[in-house]
Amino acid sequence: DARVTQTPRHKVTEMGQEVTMRCQPILGHNTVFWYRQTMMQGLELLAYFRNRAPLDDSGMPKDRFSAEMPDATLATLKIQPSEPRDSAVYFCASGLPTPGGETQYFGPGTRLLVL
Amino acid sequence: SQQGEEDPQALSIQEGENATMNCSYKTSINNLQWYRQNSGRGLVHLILIRSNEREKHSGRLRVTLDTSKKSSSLLITASRAADTASYFCATMGGGNKLTFGTGTQLKVEL
Repeated sequence: DARVTQTPRHKVTEMGQEVTMRCQPILGHNTVFWYRQTMMQGLELLAYFRNRAPLDDSGMPKDRFSAEMPDATLATLKIQPSEPRDSAVYFCASGLPTPGGETQYFGPGTRLLVL
Repeated sequence: SQQGEEDPQALSIQEGENATMNCSYKTSINNLQWYRQNSGRGLVHLILIRSNEREKHSGRLRVTLDTSKKSSSLLITASRAADTASYFCATMGGGNKLTFGTGTQLKVEL
């Protein structure tokens, strides 16, 4: 049963610290998405990659956030320095484009709390 | 930014009843998808309807799409307690990006 995995599942850190979140997409999927979910803003797309190349990161605060795909099996999202307003659940999703449309498969999320 | 607005925000029904959720969006789309999210979990894809389709079924789910009104509805028939979750519509335009709605919280009571 193929699944998107994310680590860590929970992270508590202090303001100013670096946070790194990792995602392993489903094998064979060539599109990877990072989302952030908060009560106030709902689900927001931060960035996405196709074939490891960043296609859109317009939803991401560039001064402190960075997203990379070192290889096809790993995507990372880093926040440096972290701030309390970054507290949220961060989801990774992967997909495979088809002519009829693309379904996204979500990981369980990383719940981040910045104190 | 969110493309879809969902209505109602919250819905509480008895087991066995039908649940209907509506989604309105603003721009043209290639397809519209519905996802479910159980508390504390990731989203799970339920159904995809293309812009040239008007209705689609999957088990107890029925989705309609009216592109002239830029709206969609999700009907869950014969609801069960296990259907309790948040339901999101998501629109896909060009570029394979999904834009999610605000969600409907469904509670199915025994």
